[in-house]
Amino acid sequence: AQSVAQPEDQVNVAEGNPLTVKCTYSVSGNPYLFWYVQYPNRGLQFLLKYITGDNLVKGSYGFEAEFNKSQTSFHLKKPSALVSDSALYFCAVRDINAGNMLTFGGGTRLMVKP
Amino acid sequence: DAGVIQSPRHEVTEMGQEVTLRCKPISGHNSLFWYRQTMMRGLELLIYFNNNVPIDDSGMPEDRFSAKMPNASFSTLKIQPSEPRDSAVYFCASRSEGELFFGEGSRLTVL
Repeated sequence: AQSVAQPEDQVNVAEGNPLTVKCTYSVSGNPYLFWYVQYPNRGLQFLLKYITGDNLVKGSYGFEAEFNKSQTSFHLKKPSALVSDSALYFCAVRDINAGNMLTFGGGTRLMVKP
Repeated sequence: DAGVIQSPRHEVTEMGQEVTLRCKPISGHNSLFWYRQTMMRGLELLIYFNNNVPIDDSGMPEDRFSAKMPNASFSTLKIQPSEPRDSAVYFCASRSEGELFFGEGSRLTVL
């Protein structure tokens, strides 16, 4: 069965500093990997995805994520955090060999302080 | 496109009452998902449909929950009778081939 782990419940970072939100996954086949962001009282919004190709994926709002097959990780990064980036971030994996189900991690709350 | 549309956005009801949540997916998307989000359990997949057919309902908590998709543009999630532990935000999402698109959610409070 596929699974996703987000080891940090919360990440705190100062505005202007780089940020990393961690994600590791487990799938039986080739993974499709996603990051979503949820702002307060809103639905989840797609940020970026990895399907194949370049291990560094660029997405919305200046975010990027690095796929590392050997470490089964897909960490979300941004070079310079903004206060407006404060939100809940979800990593997700889709195993095309397992019924195309999308499995979400538990979420990581990002707090960016001025 | 207006995106995935859910109604109501907020519902407060009393224990034992029937609750019906509604969802209009993005036109052309052939998969529809119902999720529930709580502080304790995070984001849980309840059921998903492919081409209006329920594919996996293993996440539906119990028989009090039911979901239908009578056509490609409409789905309902019904709770009957509702209980306080059903209080949560319920999200509908749709997908064509790639990523999921979520609605804004229906916040349910059962007193």
